[in-house]
Amino acid sequence: EVRLVETGGGLVQPGGSLRLSCAASGFTFSDHFMDWVRQAPGKGLEWVGRARNKASSFSTEYSASVKGRFIISRDDSKNSLYLQMNSLKTEDTAIYFCTRDSRSHYIDYWGQGTLVTVSS
Amino acid sequence: QSALTQPASVSGSPGQSITISCTGSSSDVGGQNYVSWYQYHPGKAPKLMLYGVSNRPSGVPDRFSGSKSGSTASLTISGLQAEDEADYYCNSYVNSSTLWVFGGGTKVTVL
Repeated sequence: EVRLVETGGGLVQPGGSLRLSCAASGFTFSDHFMDWVRQAPGKGLEWVGRARNKASSFSTEYSASVKGRFIISRDDSKNSLYLQMNSLKTEDTAIYFCTRDSRSHYIDYWGQGTLVTVSS
Repeated sequence: QSALTQPASVSGSPGQSITISCTGSSSDVGGQNYVSWYQYHPGKAPKLMLYGVSNRPSGVPDRFSGSKSGSTASLTISGLQAEDEADYYCNSYVNSSTLWVFGGGTKVTVL
């Protein structure tokens, strides 16, 4: 059974930093690209960024709204995905989901999400 | 990349059919057949319901179907059941840099 479990959410002040983790199990983590997606309160889903696998040189992509502030990384030895969030803004307040790319241009599994609140 | 457009809410009685639209552009929905749909109960993990416009993953009832015309994709739930009450989001692959664009979500209410 595929499982994705996010941790690390919490309350942080504007301008602060936070690191989210995603523990994956039930599949060969190193085979898949992984993405972060978020949902702000009362809003729809928004893609945050991607971490590709070793075969794709662990390259990353980011949405325009987080580029330069967020860093996505992965540790295939620990089956884990990370999201380092810096220079946080109030508009970054959201539930952050860890997701798995199916390798066929769709997301097939999601975690339950972790809530990040940016507020003074 | 702008979000895909979905109606905020759709409702129906048990046994009825409802359809949720998802409108994008030629850069996303209209340009390729990579539209997927997710069911979301707040507090739980979103669940994949359809991919590639109309394909159902194993375990998803055949009451759920999808189609696309031009830049608008649609999810139809036939024989609506109480357990179908949830938020539904559409999604389209865009390209290898922009990746994904999502709809704003549709709340389905079973009357």
